[in-house]
Amino acid sequence: GDSVTQMEGPVTLSEEAFLTINCTYTATGYPSLFWYVQYPGEGLQLLLKATKADDKGSNKGFEATYRKETTSFHLEKGSVQVSDSAVYFCALSGQAAGNKLTFGGGTRVLVKP
Amino acid sequence: GAVVSQHPSWVICKSGTSVKIECRSLDFQATTMFWYRQFPKQSLMLMATSNEGSKATYEQGVEKDKFLINHASLTLSTLTVTSAHPEDSSFYICSARDTSGRGYEQYFGPGTRLTVT
Repeated sequence: GDSVTQMEGPVTLSEEAFLTINCTYTATGYPSLFWYVQYPGEGLQLLLKATKADDKGSNKGFEATYRKETTSFHLEKGSVQVSDSAVYFCALSGQAAGNKLTFGGGTRVLVKP
Repeated sequence: GAVVSQHPSWVICKSGTSVKIECRSLDFQATTMFWYRQFPKQSLMLMATSNEGSKATYEQGVEKDKFLINHASLTLSTLTVTSAHPEDSSFYICSARDTSGRGYEQYFGPGTRLTVT
């Protein structure tokens, strides 16, 4: 079945540092890929998405490129802020699974001033 | 646009009682809603898929008689935790799929924290 693997946290960074969170997936067909962010005590917010190979999703300075050859969708941000402290979830929606979302385990990011 | 609300945002109940959680899509119609459960510092676990006007589809290992789901309208799904026990304490999150043409993206509610004492 479909699965998503992302790097375990917590990831602790200083403000203005570069952030990378690795995400790889296993799926049949051509899934859509997502990054969601969860701030403390809140639900999930869609951060960005990509629906086909080589698509780049971007939002709020975050970027991720759908790499079919490496089955990856790594999240990057060039200069993080304290307000980026949150848990980040990589997810896929596969046609074979009826478009249900499959989540990775989540990566907690803590940005220190 | 694409706002999903949940009510209540948090609830404390006594063991043995039932609790109902509402999930509403505020500005779009959702023929499909999903219910997730999240344990502290863990990922989301899909509990069930709720389809308007039909029975919910439960994931393996989820007790359908304990977690009752009703999706009576295109904007409302409810999850009732029956005879709650302390092990049911968790963060419950719903999402709604907008199938009106925006694709099959899911929009998430803010979550409901349930504490069973």
